[in-house]
Amino acid sequence: DTGVSQDPRHKITKRGQNVTFRCDPISEHNRLYWYRQTLGQGPEFLTYFQNEAQLEKSRLLSDRFSAERPKGSFSTLEIQRTEQGDSAMYLCASSFWTGGTDTQYFGPGTRLTVL
Amino acid sequence: DQQVKQNSPSLSVQEGRISILNCDYTNSMFDYFLWYKKYPAEGPTFLISISSIKDKNEDGRFTVFLNKSAKHLSLHIVPSQPGDSAVYFCAASPPGTYKYIFGTGTRLKVLA
Repeated sequence: DTGVSQDPRHKITKRGQNVTFRCDPISEHNRLYWYRQTLGQGPEFLTYFQNEAQLEKSRLLSDRFSAERPKGSFSTLEIQRTEQGDSAMYLCASSFWTGGTDTQYFGPGTRLTVL
Repeated sequence: DQQVKQNSPSLSVQEGRISILNCDYTNSMFDYFLWYKKYPAEGPTFLISISSIKDKNEDGRFTVFLNKSAKHLSLHIVPSQPGDSAVYFCAASPPGTYKYIFGTGTRLKVLA
């Protein structure tokens, strides 16, 4: 199966700790997105990459959050000094953009619980 | 402010009948709309999409209708099956950006 994969699937951490999540997109997809979903809400856009370039960041992405996609393939999302409000499902999606609209395909998500 | 709204948090339908899920949006500039299905502990799965230049798109049992003047789209599932029970999200894409704005979801329960 060559869908979007995310690791870990679950992460429990204590407030103040740093966490890092990984996303592997569908092979040859040139765009990669990060979203966050909290209970009772739809996914909210955080940031996206085209190849290795980070092209847009949401205001939700405070300076404790950083995302990278160093070689235009997998991506990491790091949260420093976690807070209880960071508890959420972090979703990664990828798409193959050739101009015009593209459809994003989501991974299973990483559920973060900050104690 | 919620730019994409799904006002029905839940819906129950008998197996074999039609399920109609609704979505309203506020920004007339949105040019691409999608529906995703989500099972517990999984990521959203793409179902069907529609461009703003169309008013209908069909894929098997799933049809999406777009009414631009009313800023409304709907997803029809015919016939509904128990495996369709999930949370359904509509999403819209603003022009000039490729992020999606999601609604809060509607939980569909198809009763056998």
